Amino acid sequence: GAVVSQHPSWVICKSGTSVKIECRSLDFQATTMFWYRQFPKQSLMLMATSNEGSKATYEQGVEKDKFLINHASLTLSTLTVTSAHPEDSSFYICSARPPLALTYEQYFGPGTRLTVT
Amino acid sequence: DAKTTQPNSMESNEEEPVHLPCNHSTISGTDYIHWYRQLPSQGPEYVIHGLTSNVNNRMASLAIAEDRKSSTLILHRATLRDAAVYYCILRDPIAYSGAGSYQLTFGKGTKLSVIP
Repeated sequence: GAVVSQHPSWVICKSGTSVKIECRSLDFQATTMFWYRQFPKQSLMLMATSNEGSKATYEQGVEKDKFLINHASLTLSTLTVTSAHPEDSSFYICSARPPLALTYEQYFGPGTRLTVT
Repeated sequence: DAKTTQPNSMESNEEEPVHLPCNHSTISGTDYIHWYRQLPSQGPEYVIHGLTSNVNNRMASLAIAEDRKSSTLILHRATLRDAAVYYCILRDPIAYSGAGSYQLTFGKGTKLSVIP
């Protein structure tokens, strides 16, 4: 099956710094990638939809200036958490949809656990 | 999106079949039923999807009620590796356009525990 990787798998940063998370589709090209956030014992919440070569579409309540998304190629999307604060500590997960996927079949990365101290 | 209702948790003995229910009484005629699962500390994994007919794949079977108001994900022989949160998600590919038509909305799902 299609493989999506994320890097890093976990990161600890100090409050006020920025962190970049990479999402790669390893064996297929993804025109659309999605970024989710998951707090402990909660479900996944969609943050934004990332389209290659265009601006990301953010869900209501997600600050686009704080969570910068770049989808510069068909295999790479990045999420940068700027000026991170402890409340940004969460599990960040990306997903990608193969261009010929049936309906809503998506492939998810393994997630990145961000801890802001 | 139509709402789904799943039990918060279920238990199963290892190597026994598991039936995970999902109620979706407000499902529309063009809503597809999708199942994903999330193992601890991992991203979700696609399991199966269907529209009207029952579906089988190497991971599981999906049984869809004739009126489509409910469905059941069937794991034929539960293993310890099947312990996960299982999400039942409805989505209508016709109702939305562009990249937004492929978004998935995750509910709370069912946490499946497998007892050795």
